[in-house]
Amino acid sequence: DARVTQTPRHKVTEMGQEVTMRCQPILGHNTVFWYRQTMMQGLELLAYFRNRAPLDDSGMPKDRFSAEMPDATLATLKIQPSEPRDSAVYFCASGLAFLLNPYNEQFFGPGTRLTVL
Amino acid sequence: KNEVEQSPQNLTAQEGEFITINCSYSVGISALHWLQQHPGGGIVSLFMLSSGKKKHGRLIATINIQEKHSSLHITASHPRDSAVYICAVPSGGGADGLTFGKGTHLIIQP
Repeated sequence: DARVTQTPRHKVTEMGQEVTMRCQPILGHNTVFWYRQTMMQGLELLAYFRNRAPLDDSGMPKDRFSAEMPDATLATLKIQPSEPRDSAVYFCASGLAFLLNPYNEQFFGPGTRLTVL
Repeated sequence: KNEVEQSPQNLTAQEGEFITINCSYSVGISALHWLQQHPGGGIVSLFMLSSGKKKHGRLIATINIQEKHSSLHITASHPRDSAVYICAVPSGGGADGLTFGKGTHLIIQP
């Protein structure tokens, strides 16, 4: 049963600390997305990758957030330094996109619930 | 960037009722997604459609590309359908990333 996995599932940290969230996409998927969900804003796109290359990170605060895909089985989202306003649920999703059909179903991970005190 | 409007924001209905959730978007798209978020927080993709209608069990999704509008219907609703239903469209400019509606919080009472 292929699924997207995310670790940790929950993270509580203090303001100023570094936070790293990890995502393992479904094997064979070539696109990976990071989304953030808050009560106020709902779901928002932070960044996404295709074939491990970052294609769009315009939704991400550049000064403190960074997203990488060191290999095809791992995507990371890092916040340094973390702030209370970063408290949210962070979802990773993966999908399979083709040049002539980039819009395909996305499969979501269970999310990482981050609380920054 | 595409803008997505969903209605209603909240809906409470009795078991067995026919449910309709609406979604409108501002920029032409090639596909629209309907997602379901369970009370536990998990997000499941229900449909991705680019034209016409799709059906899966008691769920039906329709889209009118010309009017930039989609609807999600639930027939013979059941308490287990209680969830948040979210409409999403490609952000635009060839991006794969999605822009989401605020969601419709559905409660089906026994």
